[in-house]
Amino acid sequence: DGGITQSPKYLFRKEGQNVTLSCEQNLNHDAMYWYRQDPGQGLRLIYYSQIVNDFQKGDIAEGYSVSREKKESFPLTVTSAQKNPTAFYLCASSKGVSGLAGFNEQYFGPGTRLTVT
Amino acid sequence: AQSVSQHNHHVILSEAASLELGCNYSYGGTVNLFWYVQYPGQHLQLLLKYFSGDPLVKGIKGFEAEFIKSKFSFNLRKPSVQWSDTAEYFCAVNALTVFGNEKLTFGTGTRLTIIP
Repeated sequence: DGGITQSPKYLFRKEGQNVTLSCEQNLNHDAMYWYRQDPGQGLRLIYYSQIVNDFQKGDIAEGYSVSREKKESFPLTVTSAQKNPTAFYLCASSKGVSGLAGFNEQYFGPGTRLTVT
Repeated sequence: AQSVSQHNHHVILSEAASLELGCNYSYGGTVNLFWYVQYPGQHLQLLLKYFSGDPLVKGIKGFEAEFIKSKFSFNLRKPSVQWSDTAEYFCAVNALTVFGNEKLTFGTGTRLTIIP
């Protein structure tokens, strides 16, 4: 059964600690994305990766880091430098980024709700 | 840079009412357009998409959307809503440029509440 898994569903951390959110996909997609969802603000792009060992900053990358060592995995680290880390984090993937034939249609995971106190 | 506007933040309707959710975008060139839906407690899923061709696209669960290029709009419609349509709806736009594709940009979402 193909899809995207994110773990854990809920995560609690103390302020000042780094935390890593997991995202795995078995869709054989080249591109992967991390979004942050806050009430009334929609989805904002944190980082994305078009191919293994390469990634680019999105609109709100400050305080976050990522790696893409394997095609199926794209973990996100929320560092202590992120001023307001409490949010719902969504991972997505797509075949690629080309606009042709729906390559850029994104599939989403179930999300991780991070609470930092 | 592209931007997406969803002017309806919260819409409340009774069952069987007709629905139209607005979506406007700013980019003047070629675009791919999407509507995603997030049901309570579930992950974001694709409702419908427009890439090219017929500007009236049909999606799952009786939803449709019309791409009107002259108005930079991609409004979502359903003739008769059900209680199960209660969810948050997101419009998204991907601009296709000669330099490559812009990132997918999402609107702020519209929360739809259907009263039985």
